[in-house]
Amino acid sequence: EAQVTQNPRYLITVTGKKLTVTCSQNMNHEYMSWYRQDPGLGLRQIYYSMNVEVTDKGDVPEGYKVSRKEKRNFPLILESPSPNQTSLYFCASSLSLGNPIRGYTFGSGTRLTVV
Amino acid sequence: AQKITQTQPGMFVQEKEAVTLDCTYDTSDQSYGLFWYKQPSSGEMIFLIYQGSYDEQNATEGRYSLNFQKARKSANLVISASQLGDSAMYFCAMRERTYNTDKLIFGTGTRLQVFP
Repeated sequence: EAQVTQNPRYLITVTGKKLTVTCSQNMNHEYMSWYRQDPGLGLRQIYYSMNVEVTDKGDVPEGYKVSRKEKRNFPLILESPSPNQTSLYFCASSLSLGNPIRGYTFGSGTRLTVV
Repeated sequence: AQKITQTQPGMFVQEKEAVTLDCTYDTSDQSYGLFWYKQPSSGEMIFLIYQGSYDEQNATEGRYSLNFQKARKSANLVISASQLGDSAMYFCAMRERTYNTDKLIFGTGTRLQVFP
């Protein structure tokens, strides 16, 4: 089944404790991206990657890191999480820049709480 | 900059009735794509329907149709014969593509509640 898999689904952590949210897709998509969703703000892009070893900042990159060593994986790293990073996070992938028809495939989301 | 506006924070509809969720957009691009996603209480984002700016006909996918009015820059989602399972958050989004970026710009969403 074609899908984007995020782990974990739920995570509660303490301020300053490094964490990684994993994202993996099995569709051979070049493009992958991370979004965060906050009430009243919709979804906002954190980072994106157009292909292996190519990453760039989205609209709200502060406090996050990413890497794209393999085509299928795009982990989101919070080196020192803070309470304002409490949010619902989505990983998404897409076949290419030239494929708008089906948009993006989203993962199931990771609900992160930083206390 | 591109922008998506959803002015209805919440909508109610009775089962089996049709409902329209509003979406207006702002862009200076000639070529663009508009999407609707459904987010049930479980949290996942489910793709519903897509409309390209050059598509001559309004998009339809089962009970979902998109009322695309290009001159008015609106892309309203119409759900026919509402079902209880349609209760969810609905997001309108536009794809922004440049030489070095590709992302979805989302509206703030509309929460739809279907009652028996």
